[in-house]
Amino acid sequence: GAVVSQHPSWVICKSGTSVKIECRSLDFQATTMFWYRQFPKQSLMLMATSNEGSKATYEQGVEKDKFLINHASLTLSTLTVTSAHPEDSSFYICSAPRTNTEAFFGQGTRLTVV
Amino acid sequence: GESVGLHLPTLSVQEGDNSIINCAYSNSASDYFIWYKQESGKGPQFIIDIRSNMDKRQGQRVTVLLNKTVKHLSLQIAATQPGDSAVYFCAEKDSGYSTLTFGKGTMLLVSP
Repeated sequence: GAVVSQHPSWVICKSGTSVKIECRSLDFQATTMFWYRQFPKQSLMLMATSNEGSKATYEQGVEKDKFLINHASLTLSTLTVTSAHPEDSSFYICSAPRTNTEAFFGQGTRLTVV
Repeated sequence: GESVGLHLPTLSVQEGDNSIINCAYSNSASDYFIWYKQESGKGPQFIIDIRSNMDKRQGQRVTVLLNKTVKHLSLQIAATQPGDSAVYFCAEKDSGYSTLTFGKGTMLLVSP
């Protein structure tokens, strides 16, 4: 079946550094991918829509200069958390739709900023 | 139960019981609904979906009911097993848009 692979599954970084998270669709092409953020015991909150070959669309309140998204190919989107701070610590999840209704999620990335 | 602050509502059941998880959705234009299961530290997994032209759909041990009048969705799990313990989210989608909107989630705890 279709699989979306997210890497790394966890990362610890120092405050002020940047972290890149990758999201790959393994057996289908995705012109659109989605990035979510999830705090403990809360639901998934959409951060941005990643569009292959064009700029990402960010949800209200999400800093585009803080969370850089690149969708350079039909199977890869990356989220870079720039100048990370402890408040950026969270669980980040990507999703790629194979059809208009069928979406697959990555395994998630646990980011801890110390 | 109702969510209080940031805490997920929790449903505790015994193994073998039937579980019912409820969800209220917000957008009357949503025409596609999905239930996801999320285990700790993992991404959501698809369980079952339903389109707005249906009011019931059954899968293996799971049934989704849709009441568009009151904008309510439920997930029924038959003969609940310890492996069903997870957080369950409903999600809604308007076919005119590409994004999913997730509900708050319910934690299901199954005791052996």
